[in-house]
Amino acid sequence: EDQVTQSPEALRLQEGESSSLNCSYTVSGLRGLFWYRQDPGKGPEFLFTLYSAGEEKEKERLKATLTKKESFLHITAPKPEDSATYLCAVQAWGANSKLTFGKGITLSVRP
Amino acid sequence: DGGITQSPKYLFRKEGQNVTLSCEQNLNHDAMYWYRQDPGQGLRLIYYSQIVNDFQKGDIAEGYSVSREKKESFPLTVTSAQKNPTAFYLCASSIRTEKEAFFGQGTRLTVV
Repeated sequence: EDQVTQSPEALRLQEGESSSLNCSYTVSGLRGLFWYRQDPGKGPEFLFTLYSAGEEKEKERLKATLTKKESFLHITAPKPEDSATYLCAVQAWGANSKLTFGKGITLSVRP
Repeated sequence: DGGITQSPKYLFRKEGQNVTLSCEQNLNHDAMYWYRQDPGQGLRLIYYSQIVNDFQKGDIAEGYSVSREKKESFPLTVTSAQKNPTAFYLCASSIRTEKEAFFGQGTRLTVV
């Protein structure tokens, strides 16, 4: 069974204090790993897809990286508007290509 | 603007009633999904559809039903058989099942 574990559950940062969010996964064969951002009461917003170990993608202050066992979402010099819950999901190869989500990491950035 | 529209945003249901949640997309995506989100839990897949007139059960399909008569529409019915229906329901679509999914803004269902 595919599993996704995100840590820590919650993270509080000071504005400008860089950090990383972790997503550990076990999957029979990774087709893709997805990062989403979710604001309270809203639907998740797509951020990145990573397909193979060693791949990196960047968007503004966010950079996502992937190894064979985990993915990191690095946040450089965060701002209060980066406060949100960040979700990680994996998709395995197979006919039933559903996404398995982690529970999310709630990030709070103080001004 | 292209996107996914869920309605209503809030829905209240009496015990024993069936309710239908609407999901419409104008992205020309083939695949559509319904997820349920509960506090402290990851999103869980209820049903998904890869093409019109075809759909499959996800991990928690009991007490739910769907239809896919049109490419752009994938309504979810929460039946009285669903024992704990109070949750945040999210509809999503993707161009194909192996590509990233885009989500609507959700419907919060409360049983009163």
